[in-house]
Amino acid sequence: AQSVTQLGSHVSVSEGALVLLRCNYSSSVPPYLFWYVQYPNQGLQLLLKYTTGATLVKGINGFEAEFKKSETSFHLTKPSAHMSDAAEYFCARRAGTALIFGKGTTLSVSS
Amino acid sequence: NAGVTQTPKFRVLKTGQSMTLLCAQDMNHEYMYWYRQDPGMGLRLIHYSVGEGTTAKGEVPDGYNVSRLKKQNFLLGLESAAPSQTSVYFCASTSNLLGETQYFGPGTRLLVL
Repeated sequence: AQSVTQLGSHVSVSEGALVLLRCNYSSSVPPYLFWYVQYPNQGLQLLLKYTTGATLVKGINGFEAEFKKSETSFHLTKPSAHMSDAAEYFCARRAGTALIFGKGTTLSVSS
Repeated sequence: NAGVTQTPKFRVLKTGQSMTLLCAQDMNHEYMYWYRQDPGMGLRLIHYSVGEGTTAKGEVPDGYNVSRLKKQNFLLGLESAAPSQTSVYFCASTSNLLGETQYFGPGTRLLVL
């Protein structure tokens, strides 16, 4: 079955530290992949997406993700965390006309 | 351009009551979706629609019905609410182009007592 696995339901970093949120997918063909962010009491906002072409994808707010077919991964990174990055992050893949979401990773940023 | 809007924002129901959640989009999108979000579960697809007059079941459709009478609106109905339907409900829409972004509404928080 097609699925998306986010490793770590909660990640804590210090302000200025590297952010790494992990996402692995299962698929027999390269999928379309997405990272969404959800701030408290808000809807989901697209951070970035991979469809075709360049495997390193840059998104908003300094985030980027690299599609690695050999590892079936699409990890999200940011070189330097900011307090405003504290939120819940969801990895998703396109499945037919809908999206399959991972269970989410909550990012905490401490000063 | 309001994007995707949802009505109401918050609702409390008693077990057995019915209600309808309304989703509206002004982006002329073909596809619309209803998801529910529960702690530790991510978002799960309830029902979706690929065009006006069409609907299909998602991963967790039981206890819900939907209708897409107009292209811009997608309604989610609960005929007889149960405590297990306490959740946050999100509507989303997208065009029919592969790889296109799904745009989400702000959510409806539903509490069933």
